[in-house]
Order: sequence, then C-alpha cells, then structure tokens
Amino acid sequence: DQQVKQNSPSLSVQEGRISILNCDYTNSMFDYFLWYKKYPAEGPTFLISISSIKDKNEDGRFTVFLNKSAKHLSLHIVPSQPGDSAVYFCAASGTSGTYKYIFGTGTRLKVLA
Amino acid sequence: DADVTQTPRNRITKTGKRIMLECSQTKGHDRMYWYRQDPGLGLRLIYYSFDVKDINKGEISDGYSVSRQAQAKFSLSLESAIPNQTALYFCATSDGIGVGEQFFGPGTRLTVL
Repeated sequence: DQQVKQNSPSLSVQEGRISILNCDYTNSMFDYFLWYKKYPAEGPTFLISISSIKDKNEDGRFTVFLNKSAKHLSLHIVPSQPGDSAVYFCAASGTSGTYKYIFGTGTRLKVLA
Repeated sequence: DADVTQTPRNRITKTGKRIMLECSQTKGHDRMYWYRQDPGLGLRLIYYSFDVKDINKGEISDGYSVSRQAQAKFSLSLESAIPNQTALYFCATSDGIGVGEQFFGPGTRLTVL
C-alpha cells in the first residue's frame, strides 16, 4: 500500500504560468515533507521542505502548502520556467528520528516556452 | 568535484552474477542510504546506515547486501543478480539535522540480462 501518492504522472504548463504539483499521504504520523526535483541522468536534488507545524513554506518561486486534515500537500511554482521541466518527487517522514523518507512516484513537469 | 559519487554509472550484467555498486561522499555525513528507482514506483529504500557500525534494512532489502567500509563509503551488493533487479540505483547521504534532507549521487543504471 503506497503511503505517499502522486496521482498525476505528468503535467504540462505554459511558461510564466503557475505549476501545481500534488501529493497525498495516508500516515497521519508523518511530520516532515520534502520536495525533490530530478533532471535526467542526475540524482534528485532537494527543493523545499515543510514540517507539520506549518501550513506553508515559501522559497523564491517555490511554495509548499500542507493540509494536514486532508493529508495533502502541494508544490506551487510561480512563474514557471522552462528550466523547471523535471520530475518532482514528494517525500514524507515520521518522528522516529530516522529520517526514513518515503517517496511518491513522481510527477513529470513540462514547462512549454 | 561532486559531493556524492557512484561507480559504475552504467553496468550490464548477466543473471547469477555478483555485482557491487559503490558510493563515496565528501560531505562528512554520517547517514547513508541506498535506493532503487523503477518506472511508476518512485524511489524505494533498500538499506540505510547511520554510522559505520549501524546497518538497517529498508523496505526492499531481499536480494541485496551492503557494507559500510568507512564513514565516506557505502557499497551495495547483489549476490546473484536477477532481471527484476534491473533499475536505477541511487546512493544518498544526510547529516540528520533539521528536516534531514538527503543529498543524492548521480545514480547507477543497472541492467541484468
């Protein structure tokens, strides 16, 4: 049973518009959530995080929103740029201190020029 | 130079062969991880280690073994490779501080014929 789900395998957005990537989780004990970006032939790179005590975290063009009651988080990219075209993974971890993150299946974002 | 390196980057082998994938890091992190990525399945944790004397199984450890030779080195072995171990393998490190984000190597693409 997949504890972290990214139900949209792909997303296309026009340059300059907003990209919204979604992630759902099932375990209410998760309290840290991360987003990673992955380009082809490279490893994932950390993008932004949020802890369960917050409902929003912003870093430049990237904002992550957390809705704990719905067990849902989303990554907003505004404005989207062609260089944002990549696969995005969300990941979640519990409070055990092990930082064993469970990853979603990824969403491939394509930003059209 | 890259902080997390993996060798080899690509490997083709035959069923039944023993394979070792190596990971080295210069970040000085204590925590190291091995993941595999399969299409539609995201990243799944194989093994992780919090220091040289600590080795833990992840969610899909069957058919794999690991060795933590030093703080900076963490190797993954497939004792007798089988075709369904064909995947992209990533090593990652973390300092376990804050949200404990992980830093990934570039990956090893392994094909088992």
